[in-house]
Order: sequence, then structure tokens, then C-alpha cells
Amino acid sequence: QKEVEQNSGPLSVPEGAIASLNCTYSDRGSQSFFWYRQYSGKSPELIMFIYSNGDKEDGRFTAQLNKASQYVSLLIRDSQPSDSATYLCAVKGYGDYGGSQGNLIFGKGTKLSVKP
Amino acid sequence: DAGITQSPRYKITETGRQVTLMCHQTWSHSYMFWYRQDLGHGLRLIYYSAAADITDKGEVPDGYVVSRSKTENFPLTLESATRSQTSVYFCASSEAEAPLHFGNGTRLTVT
Repeated sequence: QKEVEQNSGPLSVPEGAIASLNCTYSDRGSQSFFWYRQYSGKSPELIMFIYSNGDKEDGRFTAQLNKASQYVSLLIRDSQPSDSATYLCAVKGYGDYGGSQGNLIFGKGTKLSVKP
Repeated sequence: DAGITQSPRYKITETGRQVTLMCHQTWSHSYMFWYRQDLGHGLRLIYYSAAADITDKGEVPDGYVVSRSKTENFPLTLESATRSQTSVYFCASSEAEAPLHFGNGTRLTVT
């Protein structure tokens, strides 16, 4: 059973701090890694994706991937109260459910609270 | 407007009734998906479709039926609703290897 693990939180950080969200996955064959943000009562929205080892930066967000450790993280710099949401880590393997699309396995999410 | 829309947003039904959740996308994405989201389980794949007339089971398909006669539509039917199917249902679409785009969700309550 392929699994994606996240701390459920809540993770509480003060405004302006760096929030660090972590995710581990069990399938060494996983190839694509995604972070989604979900506000309460809303649908998930994509923040970032990363395919290669190392860091990928987009504005205040940095995704970090370490395939050897089967670990992916999301850093949010200068955290704002509007960043308060649940962050879902999703991992895609190869061909689990048909062809190259594979199956996206979601973690249960980490709830982030940014305090003013 | 371009995007992915789900209907209804909220639905209350009784045990044993048939209910259909609708999903429509205007991007002409090849892939469409149905997920359910429950506390303690996260998002779980019910069914997916790689193209019109091609559908396949996901992680939790029991009790659900899908069809895809047109690329833009992917309805999900609960043939005989059970209380365990009370959940929030998300439809999503994508092109191959591209990230998913989610609809706004349908909150289904089975009494």
C-alpha cells in the first residue's frame, strides 16, 4: 500500500515567520510531487510541483525534494494570515492506474495557522 | 467561463436512493477524476477516465458508477446510497502529466 504521510498539525507560526511543512512517501518509484492548499470548505488548489531533487522556488514558496530520503517539504517565507489553510502533499507514481498518468496519492494534510 | 463545475453543491438524500453528481469541464482535458474527501482519510480516488468511453476504478470504487460519453462530462452515480457515502466529492481534470484542477466540490449527506 503506497502511503503519503504528513503531520496533521495544527502547525502554528507567527506572521512573518517561515512555515515548514513536511511529507514522506513510501513508494521509491514516485516521480512527481505536488503541494496543494485547501481553505476550509473549498477545493484544493495547486501551489507547486517538483520533479527533481533539490529546491524549487516560486515567490514566497519553496519546495524541496530528496528522493533518497523519500522526503518532500514546502517552506513558506514571510507567512501571512491568508496562508492559514490545510496543505496537502500529493505524490504520483508511474502507471498505477493506467498509462503515464498514474495515480495521485494524497496525504491527509497539515493544517497551518498563521497568527497575526 | 472556462473551468470545471460540479453540481449540485449540496445534496441530502436518503439511504437506498440513487443520486448522480455532475461534473463538467470546458478545457477539453483528457483525464477526469472523482475523489472523495473524508476526515481522517484525506482525498481518495473513486474512478478516473483517460478519455471519452474509457473509465477505470480507483482506490474506493465500490457502490459508485461512472460514465463518460462526452469528453467534457463525467457524472458519478451512487446506485443505492449508504450512510458511509456521506462525504465531500471532488471532480478534477487534467492533461496527461499535468497537475489536477479541482471543481468546487459537492457535499453529500446520506440520511
